[in-house]
This record gives sequence, C-alpha cells and structure tokens, in this order.
Amino acid sequence: GAVVSQHPSRVICKSGTSVKIECRSLDFQATTMFWYRQFPKQSLMLMATSNEGSKATYEQGVEKDKFLINHASLTLSTLTVTSAHPEDSSFYICSARAGTPRDEQFFGPGTRLTVL
Amino acid sequence: GQNIDQPTEMTATEGAIVQINCTYQTSGFNGLFWYQQHAGEAPTFLSYNVLDGLEEKGRFSSFLSRSKGYSYLLLKELQMKDSASYLCAVMDSNYQLIWGAGTKLIIKP
Repeated sequence: GAVVSQHPSRVICKSGTSVKIECRSLDFQATTMFWYRQFPKQSLMLMATSNEGSKATYEQGVEKDKFLINHASLTLSTLTVTSAHPEDSSFYICSARAGTPRDEQFFGPGTRLTVL
Repeated sequence: GQNIDQPTEMTATEGAIVQINCTYQTSGFNGLFWYQQHAGEAPTFLSYNVLDGLEEKGRFSSFLSRSKGYSYLLLKELQMKDSASYLCAVMDSNYQLIWGAGTKLIIKP
C-alpha cells in the first residue's frame, strides 16, 4: 500500500511553545489529508480536513488559530500546535487520500506530543 | 446523532477464534472499515465492506448487514501478535469516517 510518513515521531516541549508536525505522502499525491488526535484509550478524533491549496476545514470544537494546518503541496501537510499546553499532549495522526472520497485513507505512524 | 458501538475489551486464547462486533447509526452509509491499531502506533487497514455479506482475507474475515447496521470482524487461528485494538469506522453520506472507540483484544497463551 501507499506510504505516509510523519515527523517527528515523538516531541517533548515546554508549555507556551509551538510545535510543527509534518505529514508526507511518499509515493502518491494526496488530494486530501486528515489530521486526527487520539487520547489514551479513546477513539480517533478528526481535527481537520485539508485539500491541497485551500484552507483546512476544522471540526467543531477545534480551534483553527491554535491548530494551524498548511497543505502547501500534494505530498505535504503540516500541523502547528501554537502555544502548546499540557492538555494538548496527545497522539497526533495524519492520513492521506489520493483521489475520491471512496478511496482508502493511508495513515502516518503518528506523533506523540508531550507538553510539560 | 451518529455513533459506533463496539465492546471495549475482549480476551481470547492463542489459536482460537474471536468475533468482534460493531453496530452503527450514521447519516448515510458509504462503507465500513476495520483497522488494527497496536499500542502507540497508527491504525493499519484490515478490511472494507460496502455490500452485505462476508469478505474473507486470510485469517481475518469481515461481515456486514446494512439493514441491521451491524458488522463483525472474525479473527481465526489467533496469534499473540494479534493483541491490539480493532477499530470499526463507517463512512457517512458526506464521506466522513466516523470512528468507534475500538476494541482492545487481549490474547492469552
């Protein structure tokens, strides 16, 4: 199957700092990328959907000014957690889809964020 | 509202068979997915059902009944490496994936 990478895999930062997470589709062009957050023992929660070259669509309750998403190319999307706080500590996972909504989403390996 | 229900946790014995159920209520239906997720890792795709019936893929099979809003994932010849969480997800009429909370499967020797 297609490969999606995420970087970094793990990050620890101080409260108040910003953290950028990259999501890349390595062997296909991702028309759409998704950002999820998963707290321990909970389901995946969709944060936002982004299409290349356009603004991301955020889910209800997700602050767009806090979680900045940039989908600048068909192979790269970034999520920046601005002014991170301990409650933002979570597992952030991106997924990418090549074509139509019926196509499979391929998941990146995830980024474990710990805010001290 | 939309919701996906699946058991929180199940325990099975190595070599045995286990069935993980999933019931759903969503606005529209464009297919049901099963994913496997090991602790600390991202989900990996297992199966996709959009028509009623059983789809078999090696040791894993997935069943769908759209009229009942029901699916199950059947795992045969269980191996210790099958210990993971199994996530049921339904694609609704807007092609959004609605995720269940996952079923943690514990395999005992």
